[in-house]
Amino acid sequence: DSGVTQTPKHLITATGQRVTLRCSPRSGDLSVYWYQQSLDQGLQFLIQYYNGEERAKGNILERFSAQQFPDLHSELNLSSLELGDSALYFCASSVNRGPETQYFGPGTRLLVL
Amino acid sequence: AQSVTQLGSHVSVSEGALVLLRCNYSSSVPPYLFWYVQYPNQGLQLLLKYTTGATLVKGINGFEAEFKKSETSFHLTKPSAHMSDAAEYFCAVSPYGGSQGNLIFGKGTKLSVKP
Repeated sequence: DSGVTQTPKHLITATGQRVTLRCSPRSGDLSVYWYQQSLDQGLQFLIQYYNGEERAKGNILERFSAQQFPDLHSELNLSSLELGDSALYFCASSVNRGPETQYFGPGTRLLVL
Repeated sequence: AQSVTQLGSHVSVSEGALVLLRCNYSSSVPPYLFWYVQYPNQGLQLLLKYTTGATLVKGINGFEAEFKKSETSFHLTKPSAHMSDAAEYFCAVSPYGGSQGNLIFGKGTKLSVKP
């Protein structure tokens, strides 16, 4: 158990819908990262937040947005969902903002029908 | 642009045999390098990492990796495979020389261990 929690574990929805994925980092970690894992794209970095502020942005679509709240939990919002958004979404956390060990949650499996 | 290449999407070894998973990276700044393991239906777990200093890095479960700058490689090895090592392994680079934390991952290598 990494100490990072993600909810829900599974999500099935329809095209055009909007969903919110939630992540609670390990106690004491200030950085939260979101990654998308799919068969064709592999593991791709989406976005990083550090202590409530956006720190780095990767291949995140404009339809996707994220935020980190004062209690340091984070939410990833996916809107106007397409079939191709079906993937495993991981949250990871680390103590600081630099390239140190990231602890990954179990992931949220999203299926868009 | 920074990138990671893992040679072999699938590697199969016999129990007790040497495990060698290959990783080459491309980075314009000194890289921080990582190996993660993913067991079925689980998140990723850090095996080992290289930041600075000693180029031979030891990790958990008997794995080690050697950073070779001249070859831009960071291959993962284990002298003797165990059935419990069957999983998918990901090599990753943090490309910004310490200024940012996001990781660029390779495509992964699925390791099978035959009895």
